[in-house]
Amino acid sequence: DIQMTQSPASLSASLEEIVTITCQASQDIGNWLAWYQQKPGKSPQLLIYGATSLADGVPSRFSGSRSGTQYSLKISRLQVEDIGIYYCQQASSATWTFGGGTKLELK
Amino acid sequence: QVTLKESGPGILQPSQTLSLTCTFSGFSLSTYGMGVGWIRQPSGKGLEWLANIWWDDDKYYNPSLKNRLTISKDTSNNQAFLKITNVDTADTATYYCARLSLYSGPFAYWGQGTLVTVSS
Repeated sequence: DIQMTQSPASLSASLEEIVTITCQASQDIGNWLAWYQQKPGKSPQLLIYGATSLADGVPSRFSGSRSGTQYSLKISRLQVEDIGIYYCQQASSATWTFGGGTKLELK
Repeated sequence: QVTLKESGPGILQPSQTLSLTCTFSGFSLSTYGMGVGWIRQPSGKGLEWLANIWWDDDKYYNPSLKNRLTISKDTSNNQAFLKITNVDTADTATYYCARLSLYSGPFAYWGQGTLVTVSS
């Protein structure tokens, strides 16, 4: 099975700050990587798919990148509405896995 | 407009079979490239992928639960189903269904989730 190791587990940042969350895949998954945001009491929302493609309606301050088997989600200028838990997910193999999540809080 | 809604028993006892239904609109499971997946989330914990079913009836399961899972679909009525046999308290979670697409992301649309509690 492909494991997705997400870091950090929690993160405290200030408004307008640049935030970066990473996910390390246990093997090559190509660009089959998605990022989701989940707010308390809500369903997850797709932010990024194909490692770098922005999902419909997602603000352009969100971006995704890849370096080998390491994937990153960047929020260029943190806003209040960005607070929540972020998950990566690989869709490379027939069986899919999520990362453990990163809880993003305001400092 | 794509919408999905999960329904389930709410509460059931250990060793019973959990039956979940996902009723959706705005897409068809007979259309090339479309699918439905099931994901669950215990309270306060992370997301766990369970199973996918695609337009061509290909099915994929989480290996750690594979022997207990069955995913199916009713294309005519725009529904997808998940059964989990022999449940125990560890299966207590919010269960989500979500739309799959080969073109616009793995889980671009999610249902609101349905809470399932396993308790004696």
